[in-house]
Amino acid sequence: EPEVTQTPSHQVTQMGQEVILRCVPISNHLYFYWYRQILGQKVEFLVSFYNNEISEKSEIFDDQFSVERPDGSNFTLKIRSTKLEDSAMYFCASKEGVSNQPQHFGDGTRLSIL
Amino acid sequence: AQKVTQAQTEISVVEKEDVTLDCVYETRDTTYYLFWYKQPPSGELVFLIRRNSFDEQNEISGRYSWNFQKSTSSFNFTITASQVVDSAVYFCALSEPNEKLTFGTGTRLTIIP
Repeated sequence: EPEVTQTPSHQVTQMGQEVILRCVPISNHLYFYWYRQILGQKVEFLVSFYNNEISEKSEIFDDQFSVERPDGSNFTLKIRSTKLEDSAMYFCASKEGVSNQPQHFGDGTRLSIL
Repeated sequence: AQKVTQAQTEISVVEKEDVTLDCVYETRDTTYYLFWYKQPPSGELVFLIRRNSFDEQNEISGRYSWNFQKSTSSFNFTITASQVVDSAVYFCALSEPNEKLTFGTGTRLTIIP
């Protein structure tokens, strides 16, 4: 069964450094999402992406964050200057174009900011 | 604004007991979707079920069953004859068509052998 792939599984970065989290969504999916989960807390929406542009973003998704779909397969989340509070699990998800289909999640990237 | 409430933070039951996880939601939309996801200790999010707002039929899948009641804005999840492998955090979530998921805070379920 096709799946969403995220790399790396764990990223350790110094505060202030830039980090790029990578995702390969399921190939025929049209909607892409990033979520984050701070340890022990609920999963929070960051941003959705459709038709090569951001369709919605949350308050968390400030100017430090950006997303790109640089080619036909990858979907990346960049954090420009990381802060301690960016430490979390980041999940990528993708969805087919049909509205009642579920979002399929990758296994997540655990980001640790030192 | 959409909201999902999972009032049960943690539940522990002995193996083979039945357990129900509660989910109450709020939305102004007439068309919406409800989901349950499982997050085992390994951390990934596993899709379990989707329900749309027009389909109030209950569903059973093996030991899992779901009870959707629009009148009480609830979408509860029951595990019958629980097993140790059911131990996980379970999230209820809500979305409009093709929109973001709004998650509840999750219920940590521990099955005691």
